[in-house]
Amino acid sequence: DADVTQTPRNRITKTGKRIMLECSQTKGHDRMYWYRQDPGLGLRLIYYSFDVKDINKGEISDGYSVSRQAQAKFSLSLESAIPNQTALYFCATSDLGTSHNEQFFGPGTRLTVL
Amino acid sequence: GEDVEQSLFLSVREGDSSVINCTYTDSSSTYLYWYKQEPGAGLQLLTYIFSNMDMKQDQRLTVLLNKKDKHLSLRIADTQTGDSAIYFCAETPYSSASKIIFGSGTRLSIRP
Repeated sequence: DADVTQTPRNRITKTGKRIMLECSQTKGHDRMYWYRQDPGLGLRLIYYSFDVKDINKGEISDGYSVSRQAQAKFSLSLESAIPNQTALYFCATSDLGTSHNEQFFGPGTRLTVL
Repeated sequence: GEDVEQSLFLSVREGDSSVINCTYTDSSSTYLYWYKQEPGAGLQLLTYIFSNMDMKQDQRLTVLLNKKDKHLSLRIADTQTGDSAIYFCAETPYSSASKIIFGSGTRLSIRP
């Protein structure tokens, strides 16, 4: 079984709709991250969380919100989707106790906003 | 600010060596990484190097770090078709040890 899972894997929606992307992990890691990937731009950090009570903005948080419901779950919401939020979204986790901060990625969610 | 740059594409012949290059701006980076993304999958850590090292070798992979020029490279010896992927250079800035800054990724394609 995959250690970091994301649902859905693909989603097509319309402008103005509210969308939630879910991430679950069985690795027991405290830290969780949401990134978006756009061609030629690499990965950009949207939000991250070090604990259930901890939420931090990344470099491109506008238009997004997150919820850390439990240690194992981290959800990303688009309150009112717009076409330039069309991208590949990745959830990742890391372990506080790892010196080199390796991040473990889910398989991604491809979101298309029409 | 923190920035990581790499070329977008590289094409090599099967069996040759591939060299993927990266430059970064943060001179106080603690760790530098190479992540691999295969088609339809998330990123996976390939190798990493601590900032006080110059070189790291792991089987077919050689990482070279030139701190003076802020240049990181990944050499893949005897490149195989299974090495086709996007390779991301990344760094952890000293100012924020829990974050990773990724480059744009280099797509490596293999010619027969």
